[in-house]
Amino acid sequence: EADIYQTPRYLVIGTGKKITLECSQTMGHDKMYWYQQDPGMELHLIHYSYGVNSTEKGDLSSESTVSRIRTEHFPLTLESARPSHTSQYLCASSEEKGADTGELFFGEGSRLTVL
Amino acid sequence: KNQVEQSPQSLIILEGKNCTLQCNYTVSPFSNLRWYKQDTGRGPVSLTIMTFSENTKSNGRYTATLDADTKQSSLHITASQLSDSASYICVVSDRGSTLGRLYFGRGTQLTVWP
Repeated sequence: EADIYQTPRYLVIGTGKKITLECSQTMGHDKMYWYQQDPGMELHLIHYSYGVNSTEKGDLSSESTVSRIRTEHFPLTLESARPSHTSQYLCASSEEKGADTGELFFGEGSRLTVL
Repeated sequence: KNQVEQSPQSLIILEGKNCTLQCNYTVSPFSNLRWYKQDTGRGPVSLTIMTFSENTKSNGRYTATLDADTKQSSLHITASQLSDSASYICVVSDRGSTLGRLYFGRGTQLTVWP
């Protein structure tokens, strides 16, 4: 079983609130990712990181921001949540550096509902 | 346009029966294809990886096939169990960049009934 953890698992908040979704992995992986998943739809990459102090935006435009101060930690922050941010957010990591065959290890997800 | 299409969108079978899920892709250049299983409320977990030179690979009751010429893959589940109820996601990787882009299908939702 993958050692990658997300908190909170479920979050219901009001519009305009600031939220941070936490993601930690104990596998020492350099690559980490945030995906957004809506029911019946494919996963969309919103942020990724190749290591400490490295962050990039993914394919899907997102108003969220991320940071990578430590290898094991990759939090995602929404400064002002809106109902359109309601979704499932999945954090993942992989170990290969610069390779394209890395298996993704996913956390269990954070389901965000913005009222 | 690089795409991954999965069929059927959903499938219901009885416990003990076999089933086959399909994945067609247009990703080029092709590097590898993975099948993931995602239980409800959980993150996806890798079942198997197929590279260009591999035609078939088994993982217990799961058998994946790959036809790189027709750009098709299938996942065959034998003697289904209730625990097989999940979404099965096909993910294709290209060699186009150091990022090694991943292209996700929308998944097939499998329900196994007793």
